[in-house]
Amino acid sequence: EILLTQSPGTLSLSPGDRASLSCRASQSVSSNYFAWYQQKPGQAPRLLIYGASSRATGIPDRFSGSGSGTDFTLTISRLEPEDFAVYYCHQYDVSPTFGPGTKVDIK
Amino acid sequence: QGHLVQSGPEVKKPGASVKVSCKASGYTFTNYGITWVRQAPGQGLEWMGWISAYSGDTNYAQRLQGRVTMTTDTSATTAYMELRSLRSDDTAVYYCASPSDILENWGQGTLVTVSS
Repeated sequence: EILLTQSPGTLSLSPGDRASLSCRASQSVSSNYFAWYQQKPGQAPRLLIYGASSRATGIPDRFSGSGSGTDFTLTISRLEPEDFAVYYCHQYDVSPTFGPGTKVDIK
Repeated sequence: QGHLVQSGPEVKKPGASVKVSCKASGYTFTNYGITWVRQAPGQGLEWMGWISAYSGDTNYAQRLQGRVTMTTDTSATTAYMELRSLRSDDTAVYYCASPSDILENWGQGTLVTVSS
């Protein structure tokens, strides 16, 4: 099973700040099969990024994904109030798994 | 854009079984698979498995093998997830999502509580 580790566990930032979230895989993952999700309390997750860097339908361009192999990054260029949430990385290459999540909260 | 509606909350005793349904609309059901994901209270997301709505092929998470069965009823455009021999640590919100790997559409979630 491919283990995904996300860092930091919690990121405390202010609206307008830049957020950089990391996800590291225990073995190489095809970029084609890597995604990021956002989840707010009481809601289902929402797809942000798939194929490591492609934005899902309706996702603002302040969200971007990058990376390959074992290291992937989600960047939010300027945090809006609605961006404070938990973010999960997900590999669907071999036996899909999710990372433990990074919580982005208001400083 | 697909729409998924799940069945309501369930309370079960340890050792019992639960079957959650997921009604799909807004797309051709047999063109895509359905993935099931669960989330224990205050915890992260756990991938449970996937079923092809076209062929019925399944792929289950290893830790749930033998306890989980995913099925579909194509005439009703509905997917089902049955979990047997329930334990207290199966208490979670269970989500269905589609398509099978890029999870763009999610159901609203079904809370399953396992308690004696």
